[in-house]
Amino acid sequence: GQNIDQPTEMTATEGAIVQINCTYQTSGFNGLFWYQQHAGEAPTFLSYNVLDGLEEKGRFSSFLSRSKGYSYLLLKELQMKDSASYLCAVNTGGFKTIFGAGTRLFVKA
Amino acid sequence: EAEVAQSPRYKITEKSQAVAFWCDPISGHATLYWYRQILGQGPELLVQFQDESVVDDSQLPKDRFSAERLKGVDSTLKIQPAELGDSAMYLCASSLQGKTQYFGPGTRLLVL
Repeated sequence: GQNIDQPTEMTATEGAIVQINCTYQTSGFNGLFWYQQHAGEAPTFLSYNVLDGLEEKGRFSSFLSRSKGYSYLLLKELQMKDSASYLCAVNTGGFKTIFGAGTRLFVKA
Repeated sequence: EAEVAQSPRYKITEKSQAVAFWCDPISGHATLYWYRQILGQGPELLVQFQDESVVDDSQLPKDRFSAERLKGVDSTLKIQPAELGDSAMYLCASSLQGKTQYFGPGTRLLVL
């Protein structure tokens, strides 16, 4: 079967660093995405990893280990506006992408 | 910047009524997706189009849901009759090569 696991909720302090983990078991793999979704809004694209390693984009970085079926999203210098859900999604081949349930991040002052 | 358009943004209806949602993808995006998202969960794919053809509708409740993309551009998702359990956010997304998906603002449906 297809499975994507991520923690349900996390809390972090403004200015800190937080790491959101994602593990996946899928029938195929053709890339992993991270999306940010504020409450009541649509998901917005953050990052895409298809090869092992770290991709850095400003305050956000995403890591992938294909052999471990593992990824994380790293958020640095947390701001209040980073409070949102973060969705891990896997392209399983062709045009098929499955989404995890999301991790709700609360940033406190 | 090009965006995916959806309408309406909000819809309140009574059960057993018919509802329809519209989506206009980013120009040139051949792949179009309709998702349903229940609060606290990730998006669940309902139907996926490649141009005007359905490539995946395995999770679409075909007894009450239908979707079309007649000219391979904009798309309509219909529910008839609506049930209480259909209350959710309906998201449309499009992609260029079936990879990165760009989402519209969604339609929030409430069935009373």
